[in-house]
Amino acid sequence: DQQVKQNSPSLSVQEGRISILNCDYTNSMFDYFLWYKKYPAEGPTFLISISSIKDKNEDGRFTVFLNKSAKHLSLHIVPSQPGDSAVYFCAASEKSGGSNYKLTFGKGTLLTVNP
Amino acid sequence: DSGVTQTPKHLITATGQRVTLRCSPRSGDLSVYWYQQSLDQGLQFLIQYYNGEERAKGNILERFSAQQFPDLHSELNLSSLELGDSALYFCASSAGTGHQPQHFGDGTRLSIL
Repeated sequence: DQQVKQNSPSLSVQEGRISILNCDYTNSMFDYFLWYKKYPAEGPTFLISISSIKDKNEDGRFTVFLNKSAKHLSLHIVPSQPGDSAVYFCAASEKSGGSNYKLTFGKGTLLTVNP
Repeated sequence: DSGVTQTPKHLITATGQRVTLRCSPRSGDLSVYWYQQSLDQGLQFLIQYYNGEERAKGNILERFSAQQFPDLHSELNLSSLELGDSALYFCASSAGTGHQPQHFGDGTRLSIL
């Protein structure tokens, strides 16, 4: 049972336009959400996060929106650049006992930004 | 460079064999996490260690085990290997155990022939 879903395996956008990557989750116990970016032959790199008590977090060109009632989050990249071309993973965190938290990842969305 | 080092980068072996994957966390990080990424799958959490102690377990098979040593490096041992164990294995580290971003190594690609 997939608790974190990224329903679009791929997305293609033009340079300078907005990229919107979506993520849905089913587990109400998730209280922290993260986006990671992954280039080929490299490990995932942390991009941005948001706590469940917020609905928006912004860092430069990257903004994450959280809609708790819809159990949906999205990552906006504005403006998109060719260097943003990568696989983007959505991840959700829940308590796994004591002070420990466990991350559950989606399958990823391949973003291609065309010059 | 995330500061997390995984060795080896590639490993090719046969069914029934045993392998050990190694991870050195970022300097100062006490938590180490192991993940498996199979074809077309997201990263599946396997196990977490904090300062030498096992803290959380995910979908880790009984044939797999891990440990974290006093110098904080960690090893993931995979035994009685099957074709389905072919995957990318990632190690990540974080300073503590709370809501902190995990920093990933570049992974070990395991191929079972």
